[in-house]
Amino acid sequence: QSALTQPASVSGSPGQSITISCTGTSSDIGGYNYVSWYQQHPDKAPKLMIYDVSNRPSGVSNRFSGSKSANTASLTISGLQAEDEADYYCTSYTSSSTLVFGGGTKLTVL
Amino acid sequence: EVQLVESGGGLVQPGGSLRLSCAASGFTFSSYAMSWVRQAPGKGLEWVFAVSGSGGHTYYADSVKGRFTISRDNSKNTLYLQMNSLRAEDTAMYHCAKGGSGWYGEGGLDYWGQGTPVTVSS
Repeated sequence: QSALTQPASVSGSPGQSITISCTGTSSDIGGYNYVSWYQQHPDKAPKLMIYDVSNRPSGVSNRFSGSKSANTASLTISGLQAEDEADYYCTSYTSSSTLVFGGGTKLTVL
Repeated sequence: EVQLVESGGGLVQPGGSLRLSCAASGFTFSSYAMSWVRQAPGKGLEWVFAVSGSGGHTYYADSVKGRFTISRDNSKNTLYLQMNSLRAEDTAMYHCAKGGSGWYGEGGLDYWGQGTPVTVSS
């Protein structure tokens, strides 16, 4: 199972919105509504930000939103803040009964 | 408060074995699937293994097939990862993570431990 494809980096200024894409296939993202997004700050454990495509866990800011179209999922962060600077990973359930992660995207807040 | 605390990592020679443990607290352990996720130094996340809440069903990545085994002791609220025939490419921080539901595919991985480091080197 190949890793999902994410851009290596994205950037934005405080207050702006950015979107991180995550591209897979019909055997993972396109076939199931089980896409999650994780935020990871340096030397910290990952934190769940979005689950099942578009659901936010309790305590996660509503500035974070998720969506999916065909084989591509997206994470949008609105009103960028300095604390949002981190690595972001998508993951999806697959037809092989596995979970597959994307390669990660480094978000820089300018 | 949900807590996941991993232990058992360390330095091991290629071909060696290690058993990782993850002590869980703050939730009904047997009701949730659990996963192991690893992260090689400077690299991204890689899902390794999952086990159902009852322990009766396990799921794994091809990269560890036949070498790693996951198990859980619901009476001790503890998750395990038995790693055999270790290779240099298994060097990573190993995190245990709680599933957001009883099935590992749904609900994301909503709580993570800080991880235990595994280094495979001669």
